[in-house]
Amino acid sequence: DAGITQSPRHKVTETGTPVTLRCHQTENHRYMYWYRQDPGHGLRLIHYSYGVKDTDKGEVSDGYSVSRSKTEDFLLTLESATSSQTSVYFCAISGTGAINTEAFFGQGTRLTVV
Amino acid sequence: ELKVEQNPLFLSMQEGKNYTIYCNYSTTSDRLYWYRQDPGKSLESLFVLLSNGAVKQEGRLMASLDTKARLSTLHITAAVHDLSATYFCAATFGGSNYKLTFGKGTLLTVNP
Repeated sequence: DAGITQSPRHKVTETGTPVTLRCHQTENHRYMYWYRQDPGHGLRLIHYSYGVKDTDKGEVSDGYSVSRSKTEDFLLTLESATSSQTSVYFCAISGTGAINTEAFFGQGTRLTVV
Repeated sequence: ELKVEQNPLFLSMQEGKNYTIYCNYSTTSDRLYWYRQDPGKSLESLFVLLSNGAVKQEGRLMASLDTKARLSTLHITAAVHDLSATYFCAATFGGSNYKLTFGKGTLLTVNP
């Protein structure tokens, strides 16, 4: 299995509180992604990173921020959680070039905002 | 806008039958991926297709890529119940920008 770990795996939080999800990889892959998965919407990209300190927005980035200070860690922060952010969050990693072609997913974080 | 469209979104099959899931994408792609997801689980990588005409097979699943038509297919041969899952295709767009964009998924149910 690819070395990618998400933490926490489950979290319940109250509306208005900040929340940070962590994605840690041991594959030294350049690209890291945060997705949310909701019924009827498939996987939607929140933010992604193409290197240390290099990040960009995805299609559903409002209300989320990210940081990548090290190759191995990609953090997703909900500044002030809302009920609409209740979802399953997946981190993914991918390499570049002809060798590292796979894109692997973490186990997911189930976030409930009450 | 970069789009990846799958069809059908729902597929109910009988065991032993063949069927194909289609994945269209809106612009030139570097890579085309197929994933499987079981309920409550993460996504499992099935295939990565890199070039026009690429074909990969694993068991009863075969994926192909036609870059000119911007189309990938996932063909299921002689379906069995264990293939019941949601299947996603995804594509990366742009020369050095490996943003990975997903289709909405196909929920496959294989009935005895």
